[in-house]
Amino acid sequence: SQQGEEDPQALSIQEGENATMNCSYKTSINNLQWYRQNSGRGLVHLILIRSNEREKHSGRLRVTLDTSKKSSSLLITASRAADTASYFCATDIPGGKLIFGQGTELSVKP
Amino acid sequence: NAGVTQTPKFQVLKTGQSMTLQCAQDMNHEYMSWYRQDPGMGLRLIHYSVGAGITDQGEVPNGYNVSRSTTEDFPLRLLSAAPSQTSVYFCASTQTGAQYFGPGTRLTVT
Repeated sequence: SQQGEEDPQALSIQEGENATMNCSYKTSINNLQWYRQNSGRGLVHLILIRSNEREKHSGRLRVTLDTSKKSSSLLITASRAADTASYFCATDIPGGKLIFGQGTELSVKP
Repeated sequence: NAGVTQTPKFQVLKTGQSMTLQCAQDMNHEYMSWYRQDPGMGLRLIHYSVGAGITDQGEVPNGYNVSRSTTEDFPLRLLSAAPSQTSVYFCASTQTGAQYFGPGTRLTVT
């Protein structure tokens, strides 16, 4: 199975609610990154958290990293319809590779 | 800056044909990579390069060749196209961790 696995695979919420996505991985990492992909477009970098960091914030995004459990979560607060997209975690592993998970499809209903 | 550019946007090949997907970046990034994205599979790393003259294999390198003669360009060659190579291909570059993605090439092999 892949290095990064995300859950849920799909998430549907109402505007204003919070959305939480989780990512688990298997090997040691240099850092973990989250990306967003709108339908039919390329990926856009959201946030990077280093292996020695536990939490990071960027606007309405909050990322946590637990290296002992090899897991990370992305929280989007006060979601908007424009947040509808697929979200991917990616692990930067020793050797220079960035390995992506399968993604979570988020749908935010107005 | 144009960022990361990819050509062509769409391509249809017959089985056995060869072609080159072009990728260029104008940000002077050392690290470039190629991914393919298939439904339900997330992004899978094909090949990557940590600088001009240096390339290495990713998760799914079979059937693809790369070279990196300049910092700016990182072409991906399909030697003998197969239907299993039908996919969307993304090129990305980075200097410090966060990857910048091109808009993608949608390839169909019949």
